Amino acid sequence: DAKTTQPTSMDCAEGRAANLPCNHSTISGNEYVYWYRQIHSQGPQYIIHGLKNNETNEMASLIITEDRKSSTLILPHATLRDTAVYYCIVRSSGNTGKLIFGQGTTLQVKP
Amino acid sequence: NAGVMQNPRHLVRRRGQEARLRCSPMKGHSHVYWYRQLPEEGLKFMVYLQKENIIDESGMPKERFSAEFPKEGPSILRIQQVVRGDSAAYFCASSPMGLAGGYTGELFFGEGSRLTVL
Repeated sequence: DAKTTQPTSMDCAEGRAANLPCNHSTISGNEYVYWYRQIHSQGPQYIIHGLKNNETNEMASLIITEDRKSSTLILPHATLRDTAVYYCIVRSSGNTGKLIFGQGTTLQVKP
Repeated sequence: NAGVMQNPRHLVRRRGQEARLRCSPMKGHSHVYWYRQLPEEGLKFMVYLQKENIIDESGMPKERFSAEFPKEGPSILRIQQVVRGDSAAYFCASSPMGLAGGYTGELFFGEGSRLTVL
């Protein structure tokens, strides 16, 4: 499975865009990039996923580089409720498709 | 459509007792994943089940832990002879199909069951 690398922590001012990077340099052609977050000790929450094209939904945008070796999750207008641990995960059918969570990025949104 | 339901939300057991955690997947979902989160640590995959089948149990401890997902009823994670190190939050997730079956969508997580072993 492709391993992901994320910064341990980041800060963002409330109302500004939060840009969370993720490196997945060993990703292979059939592997998807997923983003989840965990607010405090709640269950993980799905945010977005993509294969090679950029994706956008009501929560966030996912920008994947052309070589697919890295991606950025963008929260366009961060609020205090977006404070959470954000996980970038590469998922493939080769490992039965389970999600393997790393340490993630702790995003602190500050007023 | 109710989400993934886990119960009990909190469970206290004494060392040596058994713990049973239940997970009812979303309606129409036949794939269930169990994860464990130790205090101040990340989520660790334990087991992946389809109705009546264990697909991947590579993350399950070899002893005392077992899981099932019967044809009818919830998935059960069973921990026998609990020890203090089993104290953790146990999360369940479900999906309508597996990735191998072409499903690339999200896994839906429950709110977890928090086990405390005294």
